Amino acid sequence: NFMLTQPHSVSESPGKTVTISCTRSSGSIASNYVQWYQQRPGSAPTTVIYEDNQRPSGVPDRFSGSIDSSSNSASLTISGLKTEDEADYYCQSYDSSNRGVFGGGTKLTVL
Amino acid sequence: QVQLVQSGAEVKKPGASVKVSCKASGYTFTSYGISWVRQAPGQGLEWMGWISAYNGNTNYAQKLQGRVTMTTDTSTSTAYMELRSLRSDDTAVYYCATGRSWFDPWGQGTLVTVSS
Repeated sequence: NFMLTQPHSVSESPGKTVTISCTRSSGSIASNYVQWYQQRPGSAPTTVIYEDNQRPSGVPDRFSGSIDSSSNSASLTISGLKTEDEADYYCQSYDSSNRGVFGGGTKLTVL
Repeated sequence: QVQLVQSGAEVKKPGASVKVSCKASGYTFTSYGISWVRQAPGQGLEWMGWISAYNGNTNYAQKLQGRVTMTTDTSTSTAYMELRSLRSDDTAVYYCATGRSWFDPWGQGTLVTVSS
């Protein structure tokens, strides 16, 4: 099986752009779709990106997703940061047996 | 709108079992599977498994094989997750979510506390 590795925390100022990485330990990042979830304290996760780069309805276009085969990683980019974006973000994919795999999560601080 | 509503918090002793329910509304229940994810206090998300609401097929995380059972009741659009032989490290918030490869929406979560 593979692991997804995320930075433990990132911080940036309001109005700026931040990118959170998610590196797959083995196998190609392009083999299985990657999703990104936002989780605010005390709440259930919500989807901000699915299938590598698709935004659910209601998610602002400040959120974008991509994959990079050269670094075998996925990225979540949030532009025009707002204080309300402060949350934990998790990447997620699945293995060849359709078992889910989560990254360890990244705490985003908007200061 | 699609909504998942979970049962309330539970406190269990080590060695006991817990059964968490997840009632779906706003869509045809048998059209999508239900996944279960848990989150220990202050920790990240852990995938537990998936069940097809159409035919009951399941796919469990290897570390939980033998201790977890997921079922559905199509007459009430409800999914269940039972975890047996509880240990202290099973203390977590347990979430259900619609979908197999990605999960949306999620239930509100059920806190299961395992303590003697």
